[in-house]
Amino acid sequence: QVQLLESGPGLVKPSETLSLTCTVSGVSISTYYWSWIRQPPLRGLEWIGYIYYSGSTNYNPSLKSRVTISVDTSKNQFSLKLSSVTAADTAVYYCARGWAPDYWGQGTLVTVSS
Amino acid sequence: EIVLTQSPGTLSLSPGERATLSCRASQSISSSYLAWYQQKPGQAPRLLIYAASSRATGIPDRFSGSGSGTDFTLTISRLEPEDFAVYYCQQYGSSPFTFGPGTKVDIK
Repeated sequence: QVQLLESGPGLVKPSETLSLTCTVSGVSISTYYWSWIRQPPLRGLEWIGYIYYSGSTNYNPSLKSRVTISVDTSKNQFSLKLSSVTAADTAVYYCARGWAPDYWGQGTLVTVSS
Repeated sequence: EIVLTQSPGTLSLSPGERATLSCRASQSISSSYLAWYQQKPGQAPRLLIYAASSRATGIPDRFSGSGSGTDFTLTISRLEPEDFAVYYCQQYGSSPFTFGPGTKVDIK
């Protein structure tokens, strides 16, 4: 079955770069689009961006200057980097499959704090 | 950017009752690319409906979606105890993709 698993540091200092990886199993990453979505504590969902296996990306303009999403087809993984983080970037970060995601990772809480 | 507004903010109902949730867009959504998700505390969202009215795999038929253009509806025909949760709509027809603020369905 399709599974997605986020990994990366749970604590990032202000002004540093948040880095997360999503490992996909049960399906080749070389199909579908793959998305990152986040949810601040007790708040709603925010779409960060997506990537296709070819490397084509689309980012939320509100984050575009700070976001990079990349893919590693050899490892069946895709990754998120968010630079110059502040406390406002504290959230549960989800990786997911597709534009209307039908499979989601469990989510990982990233806290921005010194 | 398309802004989605969901109403009501909270819906208090009893098991067995019918739930009607609304999602309104600030502009027409291309090709009815509108999805609905259910989220319970501590869990990732679960896709219920895509393309406005198509049920996702494994979703019970008590969940149905309708609408087009700027007005969309999620209906739960008879609430089961496990249906009490927060529901989000999302448009994916125009970048940036956006989510509504959610409707909480709680037990009356």
